Amino acid sequence: GQQVMQIPQYQHVQEGEDFTTYCNSSTTLSNIQWYKQRPGGHPVFLIQLVKSGEVKKQKRLTFQFGEAKKNSSLHITATQTTDVGTYFCAVRPGSYQLTFGKGTKLSVIP
Amino acid sequence: EAGVTQFPSHSVIEKGQTVTLRCDPISGHDNLYWYRRVMGKEIKFLLHFVKESKQDESGMPNNRFLAERTGGTYSTLKVQPAELEDSGVYFCASSGGLDRTQYFGPGTRLTVL
Repeated sequence: GQQVMQIPQYQHVQEGEDFTTYCNSSTTLSNIQWYKQRPGGHPVFLIQLVKSGEVKKQKRLTFQFGEAKKNSSLHITATQTTDVGTYFCAVRPGSYQLTFGKGTKLSVIP
Repeated sequence: EAGVTQFPSHSVIEKGQTVTLRCDPISGHDNLYWYRRVMGKEIKFLLHFVKESKQDESGMPNNRFLAERTGGTYSTLKVQPAELEDSGVYFCASSGGLDRTQYFGPGTRLTVL
């Protein structure tokens, strides 16, 4: 089935530094979604990208969908301690079920 | 509006025992999903209900797992008999109408000793 490779697995940054996580697929994706899971919490939907080259922003978060719709990235500018958690990309190969990447665990050092 | 709820939040059982997890989706959501995250691995799809019908159960690991959604409201996931490799966090999610966004519950952390 359709899979996404997500890197890096872990990222430790100093508070105020930027952070980026990447998802890549060998096949063209119809859409990609991003979720955030706080420590001990559950995945919370952040955004969905569907168009080639799409860029969406949510405050300090910038989401991009590649021109070929095979990759996506999430960039956080000037990280804060509240950004701590695991960020997952997910794709919907069929109509409904989600296939998740392995996630990038972000640690922010105050 | 209440979110997806799951019960229990934690369960510790011995190998060979039976455990039943419950999920209450957001009211009015016809679609209900079960996912599992085994430690250190990605979140994996188990199955999808549309109302009371199983739409897709391709992710169910084996016949020790039985999911039901009688009446199309809440769902249960029973593991019988539990094995060590069943340990992990079981998430339920729901979606409704034209919005396919899946809203996740807090999860049930299952530990099989």
